[in-house]
Amino acid sequence: AQSVTQLDSQVPVFEEAPVELRCNYSSSVSVYLFWYVQYPNQGLQLLLKYLSGSTLVKGINGFEAEFNKSQTSFHLRKPSVHISDTAEYFCAVSEVRAQGGSEKLVFGKGTKLTVNP
Amino acid sequence: DADVTQTPRNRITKTGKRIMLECSQTKGHDRMYWYRQDPGLGLRLIYYSFDVKDINKGEISDGYSVSRQAQAKFSLSLESAIPNQTALYFCATSDFGGGRETQYFGPGTRLLVL
Repeated sequence: AQSVTQLDSQVPVFEEAPVELRCNYSSSVSVYLFWYVQYPNQGLQLLLKYLSGSTLVKGINGFEAEFNKSQTSFHLRKPSVHISDTAEYFCAVSEVRAQGGSEKLVFGKGTKLTVNP
Repeated sequence: DADVTQTPRNRITKTGKRIMLECSQTKGHDRMYWYRQDPGLGLRLIYYSFDVKDINKGEISDGYSVSRQAQAKFSLSLESAIPNQTALYFCATSDFGGGRETQYFGPGTRLLVL
């Protein structure tokens, strides 16, 4: 079964600084990878996802993530953060199956990003 | 209007009470999910349904039951609530996508069991 580890539970940064949120996964088969964001008092929404092809994936709000198969990682980056990026970020993984959908999207425990002025 | 709605948004109940959380969606998706979120634990899957006739247990189904009344409606019940079921509950939907699909989340229901 797949699993996800988010290495940092909290990441404080100053506005306009770069940020990297780390995510490692474990699976015995190929995977699809996702980053979801949860703004305060809201549900989760998709930030970006890796399905296949280019290992660098661009998402909404200037975020990007890079899939590294050898290191089983999918780290999220943004070159310059804004106050409005303050949120909790969740990495998630689903397994690629030969037929039928993967019914389980497994989430990491989340990283709280706090952007300070 | 929101595509995935949850009612109630907040609920306080007492130990031993039966409670139902409701989810409705207008996205036309076949797949629906119930998750709970606890601080520091992320989201954990309680139940999921691929269509009206298909209900599956997730990672933490004990103490919960569900009902898929229609394609658009998926309810979560706590038959006899206990304090450690205090959490934030999310409903989500998705279309079929072989694992590639995006899940769309409701705004959540905050439940406090006293």
